[in-house]
Amino acid sequence: GENVEQHPSTLSVQEGDSAVIKCTYSDSASNYFPWYKQELGKRPQLIIDIRSNVGEKKDQRIAVTLNKTAKHFSLHITETQPEDSAVYFCAASKGTSGTYKYIFGTGTRLKVLA
Amino acid sequence: GAVVSQHPSRVICKSGTSVKIECRSLDFQATTMFWYRQFPKKSLMLMATSNEGSKATYEQGVEKDKFLINHASLTLSTLTVTSAHPEDSSFYICSATRGIEAFFGQGTRLTVV
Repeated sequence: GENVEQHPSTLSVQEGDSAVIKCTYSDSASNYFPWYKQELGKRPQLIIDIRSNVGEKKDQRIAVTLNKTAKHFSLHITETQPEDSAVYFCAASKGTSGTYKYIFGTGTRLKVLA
Repeated sequence: GAVVSQHPSRVICKSGTSVKIECRSLDFQATTMFWYRQFPKKSLMLMATSNEGSKATYEQGVEKDKFLINHASLTLSTLTVTSAHPEDSSFYICSATRGIEAFFGQGTRLTVV
């Protein structure tokens, strides 16, 4: 079935350093790849996304890269800050407008040490 | 952004009783909504796809008689956990997709005692 693997499961970095989280998906029909940040007991919040016709996207300190051939995509956070500490989930999705089905990765707990 | 509201945010119930969780899209219509379950420190596991006006589609391993889903209108889907047991205790989250983007409810923490 559809599967999304995410690594690492935990990641500790010093404030100011970069953090990289990687995901691999199995369904080659997936065409939309969002990344979510979730704080304890709260709903996931979209931080960046990328569509399958694009290889890279950047938004300030956050960037995402996509390799469709290899079926993997990565999240890059530069100049990390303590408030970046949270759990991050990648997702792979496919569908038509209004019906996109998301399969989530297993999550990465990021700790930014001050 | 779009708003999806989920209610209740917390519920404690006794074993054997049923609990209903509501998911509403407040400012857009959603023909499809999704229900997820999340265990502590784990990922969001897709349970089922709720389809307006028709039966829900359940993921493999999810008991449809245990987790009843009703999507009676374009803005409301409900998940009823029937005959709840302590192992059903979990964080349940719904989402609705507008275009390509998913918007999540605030989640419901269910505790079965």
